[in-house]
Amino acid sequence: GQNIDQPTEMTATEGAIVQINCTYQTSGFNGLFWYQQHAGEAPTFLSYNVLDGLEEKGRFSSFLSRSKGYSYLLLKELQMKDSASYLCAASAGTALIFGKGTTLSVSS
Amino acid sequence: DTAVSQTPKYLVTQMGNDKSIKCEQNLGHDTMYWYKQDSKKFLKIMFSYNNKELIINETVPNRFSPKSPDKAHLNLHINSLELGDSAVYFCASSQMGLAGGTDTQYFGPGTRLTVL
Repeated sequence: GQNIDQPTEMTATEGAIVQINCTYQTSGFNGLFWYQQHAGEAPTFLSYNVLDGLEEKGRFSSFLSRSKGYSYLLLKELQMKDSASYLCAASAGTALIFGKGTTLSVSS
Repeated sequence: DTAVSQTPKYLVTQMGNDKSIKCEQNLGHDTMYWYKQDSKKFLKIMFSYNNKELIINETVPNRFSPKSPDKAHLNLHINSLELGDSAVYFCASSQMGLAGGTDTQYFGPGTRLTVL
C-alpha cells in the first residue's frame, strides 16, 4: 500500500534550526516533494529530490535516502513567517501521495 | 497574472444541491488535478486529466464528475451534496504529469465548500 508518515506537530524558536522527518512506503516511487502550506492558503512548492542526497535552497534543504524510504526537510534561521504546515509528498506513478502534514509553530 | 485560479473561493449550500467549481490555469500545462483537503488537513488526489483525458480517478463517489473542456480548464461538478463533502477543494496543474509524476504541481487558492 501507500503510506507517508511525518510528525503531526513541531515547535521551535526564531533563529533555530528544525528538521522535519518523513518516511514513505509507496510502489512506483519516483521522487519526493516538500510543500509549504500557510493556514487558509494553497500548498506551495519548496523542494524536490529524486536522487539520494541533500538539495539546498537558501534557508531550506531537503534530503532523500531511497534505500531507507526516508526524507527530511531542514529549515535554518527560523523566522515567524515559517509557521505553517509542511507536507511531504511521494511521487508514485502519475500521482502525488501526500502525508498528513507537520504543523510547525515558530515562537519568538 | 494568476497561474491557477478557482471560483468560487467560498461555497455554502444545502444538502442535496448540485454545485460546480471552476478551475483555470494559464501556465500552458498539460495536466490538471483536483484534490480534497479535509478538516484534518489531509490532502488527497481525486482526479487528474492530461490534455482533456482522464488519467487518475481515485475512489470518489460518482456524484463527483470532472469535466475538461480544454487543457487549460478542469471543472468539478458535484451532485446531491452531502455533509461529508464539506472540505477545501484544490485544483492544481503540472507541465506533463505523465513522466512518473515528477513535475512540480502548482496549486490554486482552494474552494472552501460548506454543506449545511
